[in-house]
Amino acid sequence: AQSVSQHNHHVILSEAASLELGCNYSYGGTVNLFWYVQYPGQHLQLLLKYFSGDPLVKGIKGFEAEFIKSKFSFNLRKPSVQWSDTAEYFCAVNEGNTPLVFGKGTRLSVIA
Amino acid sequence: DAGVTQSPTHLIKTRGQQVTLRCSPISGHKSVSWYQQVLGQGPQFIFQYYEKEERGRGNFPDRFSARQFPNYSSELNVNALLLGDSALYLCASLVVAAETQYFGPGTRLLVL
Repeated sequence: AQSVSQHNHHVILSEAASLELGCNYSYGGTVNLFWYVQYPGQHLQLLLKYFSGDPLVKGIKGFEAEFIKSKFSFNLRKPSVQWSDTAEYFCAVNEGNTPLVFGKGTRLSVIA
Repeated sequence: DAGVTQSPTHLIKTRGQQVTLRCSPISGHKSVSWYQQVLGQGPQFIFQYYEKEERGRGNFPDRFSARQFPNYSSELNVNALLLGDSALYLCASLVVAAETQYFGPGTRLLVL
């Protein structure tokens, strides 16, 4: 069965620092890849998604992710984080309309 | 447009009791999925329904059941509650062709 690994459990950054959160999935095929964010007290929101085409995907709030098929990776990046980016970030994968398989999440704390 | 709605928002039950959680998908979405999110973990798939038929089931015991109604709303039932069932229960709806799931705010269940 598919599995997702998120390498960092908790990341602490200062405002304006650059962010990269790692995500690897276990096996190939035609996969759909997602990053969701969960702000404190709020529900899961879609940040960005990759289905096909350009492996560099741009999402909301200045986030982007790069799909590297050879590495089974879909890392999330942001050049300059803000305090408001403090949240839990989840990487997820599925194939077609199959259920999403989520990673355990990475908690991002941005300090002033 | 209203997003995915779930009720109740919070629930406290005791071991052995039964609980019913409700979900209304985004208008026009015919598929609903249920996920369990235990504290510190990513969401884990429980059920998927499309057009009132079960399309997938995760690795959960038979104490968990669900159904989808003609208006595409859904209920998740859990019988004989255990302490380990304490979690945030998430409902997601999707347009099958779009392959993107949109999540509701969840129902937080505490089993004492």
